[in-house]
Amino acid sequence: AQSVTQPDARVTVSEGASLQLRCKYSYSGTPYLFWYVQYPRQGLQLLLKYYSGDPVVQGVNGFEAEFSKSNSSFHLRKASVHWSDSAVYFCVLSASSGSWQLIFGSGTQLTVMP
Amino acid sequence: DPKIIQKPKYLVAVTGSEKILICEQYLGHNAMYWYRQSAKKPLEFMFSYSYQKLMDNQTASSRFQPQSSKKNHLDLQITALKPDDSATYFCASSQTGEHTGQLYFGEGSKLTVL
Repeated sequence: AQSVTQPDARVTVSEGASLQLRCKYSYSGTPYLFWYVQYPRQGLQLLLKYYSGDPVVQGVNGFEAEFSKSNSSFHLRKASVHWSDSAVYFCVLSASSGSWQLIFGSGTQLTVMP
Repeated sequence: DPKIIQKPKYLVAVTGSEKILICEQYLGHNAMYWYRQSAKKPLEFMFSYSYQKLMDNQTASSRFQPQSSKKNHLDLQITALKPDDSATYFCASSQTGEHTGQLYFGEGSKLTVL
């Protein structure tokens, strides 16, 4: 069965600090992986995606993520966070074939303290 | 301007009643979806449509019926409402379907069933 685990429900960091949000997935095939962000009272927006190739992918607003097949992980990172990064971040999995649905993690609420 | 319009943004219903959630997308996409976000649960895939045809249905209950009157419309009819149906319902679309993962989401319709 496919699943996504985000072990940290809430993360609080100070503005300017570095950030890592953790994501582990379970899928026997080749995964397509994504990070989405949900700002308050808004829909979800795509931050970045990984299909294949370079395991480090760049996204918008200075975010990047690293895919590790051996660890079944897709952690999100940012070198220096801004208060406007406060939001809920979702790690998302799509099966590489025959699937019309995305599997969402439970989300990590990020709070950036000024 | 929002490219995916969901109406209404908020609605309150009584148990046993029926509601329709409206979704229109102006992105020229061929695939549309419904996802549900309940309290303390990850986003759950409900339906996917491609060229107005149902591609995948992960909703156990027949009380949830998607309706696609036009290519850029995918409404969601919910009958015999229950308090457990209380959630935010997100409509999404993509250029094509099937595991591409790059979805565009509306801002959601928050349903409260009393």
